[in-house]
Amino acid sequence: AQTVTQSQPEMSVQEAETVTLSCTYDTSENNYYLFWYKQPPSRQMILVIRQEAYKQQNATENRFSVNFQKAAKSFSLKISDSQLGDTAMYFCAFMSYNAGNMLTFGGGTRLMVKP
Amino acid sequence: GAVVSQHPSWVICKSGTSVKIECRSLDFQATTMFWYRQFPKQSLMLMATSNEGSKATYEQGVEKDKFLINHASLTLSTLTVTSAHPEDSSFYICSARDGSTYEQYFGPGTRLTVT
Repeated sequence: AQTVTQSQPEMSVQEAETVTLSCTYDTSENNYYLFWYKQPPSRQMILVIRQEAYKQQNATENRFSVNFQKAAKSFSLKISDSQLGDTAMYFCAFMSYNAGNMLTFGGGTRLMVKP
Repeated sequence: GAVVSQHPSWVICKSGTSVKIECRSLDFQATTMFWYRQFPKQSLMLMATSNEGSKATYEQGVEKDKFLINHASLTLSTLTVTSAHPEDSSFYICSARDGSTYEQYFGPGTRLTVT
């Protein structure tokens, strides 16, 4: 079974600064996807960024980028130029090609962006 | 982008009654839908996976007779909490997988309060 660990329950960052959220996972699979989801106070889950394990290039989406280290099973999220609207819970998630598209979530990191 | 709706968004029911939550994919066909439960300040826990036209697969520890799932069409899955108790109070989230891709889209969630 896959496990996903987020070691930072809470983090804070000043507006316009950069913050990195950590995520590690454990799997014996070779083909899989990794995701970062954002859950703002509305509780709607929003996909921030995805990474396919076979791709060596780190995914980027505007101010969001990942550092994917497959050998180390690490998948961190960097948020640049943090904005107040980035305040939310962030969940790292794993999905195996072979597990019926089931997502396994980490415990989450609560990010507070301070003005 | 693809939209998933949930109804109701918030429901209060008395202990011992049953309540049904609907999850609809509005602009795509969802061959698979997932139901999650989320307690305050915690991560999403997968309850069950439902495939259109077949019985749901429940995660370990989830009572299938208490949480009835029906996926009768490619756009609708329902979760019925039977004989609800206060400990069933939680936030329930569904997600739907687009039948033509691996993409999952999340509904906005349903807050259930059992008094």
